Parts: sequence; C-alpha cells; structure tokens
Amino acid sequence: GAGVSQSPRYKVAKRGQDVALRCDPISGHVSLFWYQQALGQGPEFLTYFQNEAQLDKSGLPSDRFFAERPEGSVSTLKIQRTQQEDSAVYLCASSLARSFTRIEAFFGQGTRLTVV
Amino acid sequence: SQQGEEDPQALSIQEGENATMNCSYKTSINNLQWYRQNSGRGLVHLILIRSNEREKHSGRLRVTLDTSKKSSSLLITASRAADTASYFCATVGVPGSNYKLTFGKGTLLTVNP
Repeated sequence: GAGVSQSPRYKVAKRGQDVALRCDPISGHVSLFWYQQALGQGPEFLTYFQNEAQLDKSGLPSDRFFAERPEGSVSTLKIQRTQQEDSAVYLCASSLARSFTRIEAFFGQGTRLTVV
Repeated sequence: SQQGEEDPQALSIQEGENATMNCSYKTSINNLQWYRQNSGRGLVHLILIRSNEREKHSGRLRVTLDTSKKSSSLLITASRAADTASYFCATVGVPGSNYKLTFGKGTLLTVNP
C-alpha cells in the first residue's frame, strides 16, 4: 500500500478485556516499530522488529503487552486484561533500513484505545 | 523515557510570522529528526540533521544543531494556517541504539489566519 495502515482506528475496551491492534507496514520495509502516545506527550518506544525477529521489547510496560510479526510483514500488538492506564494512541512505524542513521520512519495514523 | 524536551510547550502566532521551536537532549546522537503531527495526517517526517551538520534547510524549514549544547531548533518561516500541528524532535543514538527514535514531548503550534 501507499503508507502504513493501522486498524482499528478507534477501540473502546472494557477494563479486563483483551485487545489486538493490527499494523500493515509499507511493503518491503524491514523494520517495524510500535510506539505508545499518551495525551499531550510524545511517542514512547514499545518494541522493534527486524523482519520477523523481535530485537527489542524493552519498552513494553508489562507482561500484558505482547507483539508479533510472524511473517515479517503484518504485526499485531496484543494487550491482555486491559487497564485504564493503557488508554493511549498506539502508533506503528516502518522503515526500509535497519537503522535510522540515514533515513526516517513512516508512521501510521494510530489506533486510539480507550479503556472504560 | 523521553530524550528530548521541546520549548516552548505551546506557541501561537499569526499567519505570515516565523515560528521557532527548540529541542534539548541528553545523550550523544547520530542524528536528530523533526516530525509534525496533526489529526489529519498523523506523524510525518520533516527533516533529518546529522551530528556533523550544523544547519539544514528544506523549503520553509530551517534546522540547526549544536551538539556541544545538545540542542536543536526548528524555524518555520512565513507560517500558514496549515502549519498548525504538534512538532516533535526525535533523536537517533549511536550504534547499538541507532534503530530507535526517542521523541521529546513536543511543541503545539497554532497559526491563526
């Protein structure tokens, strides 16, 4: 596709419910990232994939958060037993290269998760 | 954790005026990038400046980088209402962490028609 696509755009979950957020990166992009953005804040790094390998998951806030990219393209961020503090916009980004030393990231529109 | 701090947090100007936003960061970097975020187009890359560069231009954008002060500034000249958005600086670290963008908290720019 033309850009990074995320679905759903909006998700309302009851506390305790599991959610799955999908990211379709730009075709051929090696690197994929998930970021969490709280209201009025900058994006915070969650996790990084290079092809299907998850090379860094240091930003995942708890073991309720799980991300996968099994075939090196589409990625899913799963949040189990959602809590109110999980309410945020979840951004997916992809990049052609393995590092940002020369190029930028392309971001999706994000999924706004509201936990009630 | 967030690397950068943008200053000011919010800026309101009239169309045609220039807007200057500043960013400070804490650790050594490979490069620094500026992004714009609005509700219509999400987060979009504007410009990248490498650690060995001091100034860079792209259209109405001018970015400076002072690695001795660990700071950068973004100047938007002749602003337009369409420039209304949040602006973020993001740093790229040295090898070992150069796959990760670390964002600041952003500056909310409002350009009044």
